[in-house]
Amino acid sequence: GENVEQHPSTLSVQEGDSAVIKCTYSDSASNYFPWYKQELGKRPQLIIDIRSNVGEKKDQRIAVTLNKTAKHFSLHITETQPEDSAVYFCAASKDGAAGNKLTFGGGTRVLVKP
Amino acid sequence: EPEVTQTPSHQVTQMGQEVILRCVPISNHLYFYWYRQILGQKVEFLVSFYNNEISEKSEIFDDQFSVERPDGSNFTLKIRSTKLEDSAMYFCASSKETQYFGPGTRLLVL
Repeated sequence: GENVEQHPSTLSVQEGDSAVIKCTYSDSASNYFPWYKQELGKRPQLIIDIRSNVGEKKDQRIAVTLNKTAKHFSLHITETQPEDSAVYFCAASKDGAAGNKLTFGGGTRVLVKP
Repeated sequence: EPEVTQTPSHQVTQMGQEVILRCVPISNHLYFYWYRQILGQKVEFLVSFYNNEISEKSEIFDDQFSVERPDGSNFTLKIRSTKLEDSAMYFCASSKETQYFGPGTRLLVL
């Protein structure tokens, strides 16, 4: 089955700097890659997703890049703010998102220091 | 904005007891899921449900687990005879396409 690895497990950045989180996946049939942000004690919330027909997607300070050949995708957060502090999970799924299970990475705890 | 809700937020039970975790998915969603997260580990898929039947289940989802949609709004996960290793955070999710997660139920089996 699918296996998703995520690095680093923790990331500490100074406010205003960029943060990059990387994930690799094993199943070349996976074609949907969402990122979830989970603040302490709260639900995982989708922040951005990408499908395999595009290589990059941006939403304000957040961007995701996908390299299908290498089977890896990355989350980039620019101009980090203290409210970006949370655990971030990448995930992979096949055949679009409808009705198919997500396989998650292990999570990255991001701490943005003021 | 509609959200997935889950009850209870915390559940403490004795080993061997049955527990039922409840979820109310977003009303126009068609697909429903349960995931769990053991403390310090990955979020793991348990089961997906569509059109009143299980569409996929993981190897974790053995005979001790069952799911049900007893009415038009609730989606439940039952663990028949809990084990210590069932202690985890259980997340319900629902989707049309994008999966939206509930706040989770923290289950502690003593």
